[in-house]
Amino acid sequence: GNSVTQMEGPVTLSEEAFLTINCTYTATGYPSLFWYVQYPGEGLQLLLKATKADDKGSNKGFEATYRKETTSFHLEKGSVQVSDSAVYFCALRGMEYGNKLVFGAGTILRVKS
Amino acid sequence: NAGVMQNPRHLVRRRGQEARLRCSPMKGHSHVYWYRQLPEEGLKFMVYLQKENIIDESGMPKERFSAEFPKEGPSILRIQQVVRGDSAAYFCASSPPVLETQYFGPGTRLLVL
Repeated sequence: GNSVTQMEGPVTLSEEAFLTINCTYTATGYPSLFWYVQYPGEGLQLLLKATKADDKGSNKGFEATYRKETTSFHLEKGSVQVSDSAVYFCALRGMEYGNKLVFGAGTILRVKS
Repeated sequence: NAGVMQNPRHLVRRRGQEARLRCSPMKGHSHVYWYRQLPEEGLKFMVYLQKENIIDESGMPKERFSAEFPKEGPSILRIQQVVRGDSAAYFCASSPPVLETQYFGPGTRLLVL
């Protein structure tokens, strides 16, 4: 079945540091890939997405590229801020019938000033 | 345009009671999804509904859990005879036609004493 694996956290960075959160997936065919962010006590917000190989999703300084050859969708940001502290979830939507998302376990990001 | 609404935001029940969680999708969205987030874990798909139809309930526990999305009114996730293991955050998401992005509500945090 479909699955998503994320790097374990927490990830602790200083402000303005470079961020990478690794995400790899297992799926048949060509799934769509997503990054969602969850701030404390809130629901999930879509951060970015990519629907086909080599697509790059980007938003608010975050980027992720859909790599079919390595089945990866790593999240990157060049300079993190304290306000980026949150839990980040990688997810996929497979090609089988239905629209359900399969999530990774989430990675906690803590940014210190 | 209001986002996905969920209520209550917090719900406390004693073992054996019933829990009813409500979800109002975004305006114009006719597809609703329920996910459960156990402590320290990612979100797990439970059920996918359209108006008056259950499309995919492959993630629903076989007993005590049910969901509906009537022609009028919100979607309801119902948990009968709750147990401590049901304590979790329950998130609802909605989307327009299938294969579109899902937008999440703020969640209902259920605590079973």
